[in-house]
Amino acid sequence: DIQMTQSPSSLPASVGDRVTITCRASQSIDSHLNWYQQKPGKAPKLLIYASSTLESGVPSRFRGTGSGTDFTLTISGLQPEDYATYYCQQSYSALKYTFGQGTKLEIK
Amino acid sequence: EVQLLESGGGRVQPGGSLRLSCATSGFPFNTYTMTWVRQTPGKGLESISTIGGSGSGTHYADSVRGRFTISRDNSEKTVFLQMNSLRPEDTAVYYCVRARGTLVGRLIVTRLDHWGQGVLVTVSP
Repeated sequence: DIQMTQSPSSLPASVGDRVTITCRASQSIDSHLNWYQQKPGKAPKLLIYASSTLESGVPSRFRGTGSGTDFTLTISGLQPEDYATYYCQQSYSALKYTFGQGTKLEIK
Repeated sequence: EVQLLESGGGRVQPGGSLRLSCATSGFPFNTYTMTWVRQTPGKGLESISTIGGSGSGTHYADSVRGRFTISRDNSEKTVFLQMNSLRPEDTAVYYCVRARGTLVGRLIVTRLDHWGQGVLVTVSP
């Protein structure tokens, strides 16, 4: 099975900062990589799919890049509502979706 | 509007069974792959079982294979998760999720674009 490894596990940051979260796949997954945001007590929300395509309604301060095994999620100009946990997820393996362990974005 | 509504959660003793249901509306159900994702308390996300639109293709995570069974009723637009031989480590919030495939460049990329609100399953004596 394809393993997804995110770093860091927690990330202190201040409003207005630019932050980057990385995700590495255990094998090449081309661009079959999605990013989700989850706030406490809520279901995850899709932010970015196919590595870099913004889901409808997601602010343009979110940006995804990468292909193969290495991917990044960048948030430019961090807003108060962005404090959450972020997950990457691969969909390269048909029906076998795996997630990274999550990155908690915390107030610095 | 796409809606996914899970039901069937609750508290059960180890070794017991539960059946989760996810009633859907707002989209052509039989054309979408559906998956169950669980989240253990304070932990991350695990996709535990997936079923194709026609119901013929299924996948199970190693952690639930042989104990859980996914199925769907396309006429009722509902997906099910039968959970047997439950263990304390199965305690989690279970989400019903729609998987959507989209052509992006030369790739068909699948994303989990709609999630239910989640249902809590607690396995405890």
